[in-house]
Amino acid sequence: DQQVKQNSPSLSVQEGRISILNCDYTNSMFDYFLWYKKYPAEGPTFLISISSIKDKNEDGRFTVFLNKSAKHLSLHIVPSQPGDSAVYFCAAVAAGNKLTFGGGTRVLVKP
Amino acid sequence: GAVVSQHPSRVICKSGTSVKIECRSLDFQATTMFWYRQFPKQSLMLMATSNEGSKATYEQGVEKDKFLINHASLTLSTLTVTSAHPEDSSFYICSAPAIGFREQYFGPGTRLTVT
Repeated sequence: DQQVKQNSPSLSVQEGRISILNCDYTNSMFDYFLWYKKYPAEGPTFLISISSIKDKNEDGRFTVFLNKSAKHLSLHIVPSQPGDSAVYFCAAVAAGNKLTFGGGTRVLVKP
Repeated sequence: GAVVSQHPSRVICKSGTSVKIECRSLDFQATTMFWYRQFPKQSLMLMATSNEGSKATYEQGVEKDKFLINHASLTLSTLTVTSAHPEDSSFYICSAPAIGFREQYFGPGTRLTVT
């Protein structure tokens, strides 16, 4: 039973354009959501987070949108840069701070 | 962001031996740390929650006698893989939220290979 899903395993985008990564969840107890970037053989790097009381959070080139009614969140990266090429995981938190991860989306930004 | 370190980064051990992996929060204190493992091309799977001063709590299907966790201080948690077998070969990662915050910061991971 996958509580957090990233339905697109991969995404290819041209440098300078927008990357949009999607994430869906099923557990209505999740009240905090995070996005991480991960390179092979490294730990995930925290990018941005959003509380369930908000619908948008922005930090530089990264913006996360949350649609609670649809149980859907998305990460927008604009403009995309070649260094953004990595695997991106969304994660959700309920009480106790346990993270539940999605399956990841591999992003390739083409120069 | 906060910094979490892991040691060692890579370890190769023989089947039947035990391996200890350390996870340290370098610039913050953490009453709770989490241990994950990741198989190739898969997501991170939570193994257990390490609690400072008390017993760890394990996720369903994780053998607590095989994966021993000790959270000795507010900056250090250790994971010991006992009587390792080749199927224990994996990438082990720890994470920690700073006290009072919900963002979790991850260590760089430890690649364990059991021969």
